[in-house]
Amino acid sequence: SVLTQSPSASATPGQRVTISCSGSSSNIGTNYVFWYQQLPGAAPKLLIYNSDRRRSGVPDRFSGSKSGTSASLAISGLRSEDGADYYCAAWDDSLSGWVFGGGTKLTVL
Amino acid sequence: QVQLVESGGGVVQPGRSLRLSCAASRFIFSTNAMNWVRQAPGEGLEWVAVISKDGSNTYYADSVKGRFTISRDNSKNTLYLQMNGLRAEDTAMYYCARGAHGNSAAYFDYWGQGTLVTVSS
Repeated sequence: SVLTQSPSASATPGQRVTISCSGSSSNIGTNYVFWYQQLPGAAPKLLIYNSDRRRSGVPDRFSGSKSGTSASLAISGLRSEDGADYYCAAWDDSLSGWVFGGGTKLTVL
Repeated sequence: QVQLVESGGGVVQPGRSLRLSCAASRFIFSTNAMNWVRQAPGEGLEWVAVISKDGSNTYYADSVKGRFTISRDNSKNTLYLQMNGLRAEDTAMYYCARGAHGNSAAYFDYWGQGTLVTVSS
């Protein structure tokens, strides 16, 4: 994948977890980052847009940030229903297309 | 609530063609860019193609360029993906995803439930 994510993350209920996404100057370095949540067997859903804006209806436990060519999604007060795959995405100016991270599987222990 | 319903998936032999459709409703279709995104079994998301709101601009992933064609009919509120020269590696769930605004670089704000394409002899 053009964007790099750790394949997995885990934490216990109530804890805070951070999922990172690394890119380059042609994608994250110059464009917004978006985060999607995919629950098992379901279609992806938008969580964060424009790097740090929470979509309406998304709990404020979810937050996004971006610095340089990296971005991160933080989830605080972890709940069992947060167990899902999380993907980052950005437009890539060199490719003239969208690029995704490989996804991070979050396990709530 | 925005609704996107994909159809047209199925089992097809390598080298053959298939056309996917995405019926859109509950929003003004002609004001939004539209995308196809796919997900191979057990794998991550891969963007396939985007078309601007009026169809004047299209972009494709290198993996499908020259084989797939994205198009839309704004009078029918329908998005299409014509897939030619299918390969085993095109096997995936294909999602229709709405762009949040009209130009091609609009992020995906709503997704359909997907239609499964299996390329196998």
